[in-house]
Amino acid sequence: GAGVSQSPSNKVTEKGKDVELRCDPISGHTALYWYRQSLGQGLEFLIYFQGNSAPDKSGLPSDRFSAERTGGSVSTLTIQRTQQEDSAVYLCASSTLDRLRGGYTFGSGTRLTVV
Amino acid sequence: RKEVEQDPGPFNVPEGATVAFNCTYSNSASQSFFWYRQDCRKEPKLLMSVYSSGNEDGRFTAQLNRASQYISLLIRDSKLSDSATYLCVVNIRQAGTALIFGKGTTLSVSS
Repeated sequence: GAGVSQSPSNKVTEKGKDVELRCDPISGHTALYWYRQSLGQGLEFLIYFQGNSAPDKSGLPSDRFSAERTGGSVSTLTIQRTQQEDSAVYLCASSTLDRLRGGYTFGSGTRLTVV
Repeated sequence: RKEVEQDPGPFNVPEGATVAFNCTYSNSASQSFFWYRQDCRKEPKLLMSVYSSGNEDGRFTAQLNRASQYISLLIRDSKLSDSATYLCVVNIRQAGTALIFGKGTTLSVSS
């Protein structure tokens, strides 16, 4: 597609429920990243994919968080047993391998609210 | 020490003013540097890369000082539309890992 697409754009869920967030990167971008941004805070790195593998999962805050990527394209971020502190905007970005020059292109994010 | 630090501001300036933001990074092995812009409730967007020799894009000038480990962004002739949060971004590790974002500096340009 023309840009990075994320869905849903907004999600309200009850504490304890599981949620799944989707990211569809720019066609041909082999690298995919998940970040989250809490209100008034900076971007917090969660996980990075190169193709379908995740060489860097260091940012996942707990084992309730997991992510996968299939076909080198779409990625899903799953949060199990959501907690109120999980409320944030979850941003996905993609890039070519030549990241050093071009930086990332972000999707418009999923705003997650846990009530 | 945080990996990327910025003065959060806000910087409140009138139209036409020149304003400068600084950013410091902690890892001397940092390889690439960027400034991103983030509008309220929007995703970050790449503003410009930062090169060792310094680079300019219209009213925006970015500079890198590797010895002191800081990056700057200068905006000349500020416009109302420049109001946003400016994020300093570095790639600290080797190719294949994520960019590290500062928390941003907020700029408000008024008429």
